[in-house]
Amino acid sequence: EAGVAQSPRYKIIEKRQSVAFWCNPISGHATLYWYQQILGQGPKLLIQFQNNGVVDDSQLPKDRFSAERLKGVDSTLKIQPAKLEDSAVYLCASSLGGTSEETQYFGPGTRLLVL
Amino acid sequence: GNSVTQMEGPVTLSEEAFLTINCTYTATGYPSLFWYVQYPGEGLQLLLKATKADDKGSNKGFEATYRKETTSFHLEKGSVQVSDSAVYFCALNDDYKLSFGAGTTVTVRA
Repeated sequence: EAGVAQSPRYKIIEKRQSVAFWCNPISGHATLYWYQQILGQGPKLLIQFQNNGVVDDSQLPKDRFSAERLKGVDSTLKIQPAKLEDSAVYLCASSLGGTSEETQYFGPGTRLLVL
Repeated sequence: GNSVTQMEGPVTLSEEAFLTINCTYTATGYPSLFWYVQYPGEGLQLLLKATKADDKGSNKGFEATYRKETTSFHLEKGSVQVSDSAVYFCALNDDYKLSFGAGTTVTVRA
């Protein structure tokens, strides 16, 4: 079974530029998550989708971050404009139905460096 | 709100030593508890989980027991190997989202 796919794996940009990350979840998983992992910290949830609807985006900095999951399958996360403090690994995860007991499956992540 | 506190690292052990990583949590409800592991160069993967009090999760020789009375989910392994070198994250899910601890880096020397 194919895992969660993410691209690109690495990205280096200048501050104030824009960047987009792509995620394809495990087939059949209704719930998709984007996490931000700053060096030395645990992942922090940015946004959660159930199919193509947003369940929780309370920790998403909406003035610069946006995300969509138009057809309820793959998703993109965008940052515009980027700041130095956005340097982090962006993780995508998916799960079957989004319940608290379920395992979330993580992709390899996109490592972003903002200069 | 929900939070997880885990033992700070780094932890360095010799092969066949006993490993314990402490994890305590704060939650408003009855969370499910998880240990995730990140091996060098790889993504996060589930190591084990427990979904209710007194449950024991186990995998690859690792164990953790959900202790509601002490709000803890400590990870243990009786005899570590070099291949267990990784970053270990304790996490809880109480409101459909995972809250992670800061991670503990474990290095096992041959």
